[in-house]
Amino acid sequence: DQQVKQNSPSLSVQEGRISILNCDYTNSMFDYFLWYKKYPAEGPTFLISISSIKDKNEDGRFTVFLNKSAKHLSLHIVPSQPGDSAVYFCAASGALSGAGSYQLTFGKGTKLSVIP
Amino acid sequence: DTEVTQTPKHLVMGMTNKKSLKCEQHMGHRAMYWYKQKAKKPPELMFVYSYEKLSINESVPSRFSPECPNSSLLNLHLHALQPEDSALYLCASSQLGAYYGYTFGSGTRLTVV
Repeated sequence: DQQVKQNSPSLSVQEGRISILNCDYTNSMFDYFLWYKKYPAEGPTFLISISSIKDKNEDGRFTVFLNKSAKHLSLHIVPSQPGDSAVYFCAASGALSGAGSYQLTFGKGTKLSVIP
Repeated sequence: DTEVTQTPKHLVMGMTNKKSLKCEQHMGHRAMYWYKQKAKKPPELMFVYSYEKLSINESVPSRFSPECPNSSLLNLHLHALQPEDSALYLCASSQLGAYYGYTFGSGTRLTVV
């Protein structure tokens, strides 16, 4: 059973416009939600996170919104740039028994294409 | 140093071979992880080390054997793998708490023939 879902496998956006990537989750015990960006043949790169007690976090062009009642989060990229073209993974964290460690559960990813 | 370094980047091995994947970080992170990613799938957790002790083994077959020689190094020893084990193997490390996320290495692309 998928606990983190990204229902859009792909998204195309014009350069300069807003990109909105969506993610749904089922486990209300997740304490942080994160977005990662991945280029082919590279490991995922951390973009931005949000605590489960917040509803918005902003970092430059990237903003993450969390709606706990709907178990939904979204990543907004404004303005979108061609270099943003990549696969974006939504992830949710839950604490593990090992001190300080936590497990990330990933969605299947959304491939964003920003068209010049 | 803000990187996780994985070697080798590519590995082709036969089903009777023994090989090792290596991972190194010098960020002082005390949690290190192995994830496996198949094509068009999300990364899946394999092992977690916390303070150099194995804390989680996500029911991974014994043909995968992790080792954490010290706080900066993480190895994954491979023996008698199957073709379906071909995947991208990702190492990651993290600070305490999830706010800053994991730092991932660029992965080892493993092909079992």
